Amino acid sequence: AQSVTQPDIHITVSEGASLELRCNYSYGATPYLFWYVQSPGQGLQLLLKYFSGDTLVQGIKGFEAEFKRSQSSFNLRKPSVHWSDAAEYFCAGSSGDKLTFGTGTRLAVRP
Amino acid sequence: EAEVAQSPRYKITEKSQAVAFWCDPISGHATLYWYRQILGQGPELLVQFQDESVVDDSQLPKDRFSAERLKGVDSTLKIQPAELGDSAMYLCASSSGLAGNYNEQFFGPGTRLTVL
Repeated sequence: AQSVTQPDIHITVSEGASLELRCNYSYGATPYLFWYVQSPGQGLQLLLKYFSGDTLVQGIKGFEAEFKRSQSSFNLRKPSVHWSDAAEYFCAGSSGDKLTFGTGTRLAVRP
Repeated sequence: EAEVAQSPRYKITEKSQAVAFWCDPISGHATLYWYRQILGQGPELLVQFQDESVVDDSQLPKDRFSAERLKGVDSTLKIQPAELGDSAMYLCASSSGLAGNYNEQFFGPGTRLTVL
């Protein structure tokens, strides 16, 4: 069965520190991969997506993600976190138009 | 910038009551999705429409949930009767593409349902 796993439920980083959120996928073939952010009380906003090609994907708000086929991973990174980045982050996969989401990682930012 | 609208934003109801949620997708978007997001989990697809037709409702608990998109524009999701386990965020999303092909889904702010 297709699945997306986010092993970290909650992460706290200091403002200005770097960030890496982990995501692993299990699909028969390489899926399309996405990262979404959800602020409290809000819907989901797409940060970036990977379809094929360059394995390092740039997104909005200074985020990037790297696709690693050998590790079945698509980790999200940001070099310097801002207090406004505190939110919940969801990794998702798709083999068509159906999105399968991970359980999310809640990011807290220390002043 | 066009957005997906949902109402109400919050709903508190007692178990056994009926509730309904409304979604207005981005104008021109043919495909509409309803997701349920239980606290601490990612969204799960309940039902997908292309225009007024249901494309996928395999995860919709049809004994109590129903969804319609009569004119292929806005949509209503209904629960009758509501149960305690239905407490969740209900998200609506729309995309401009046809079912089966990837097109970016745009999400509304959601309706948070609490069943007492």
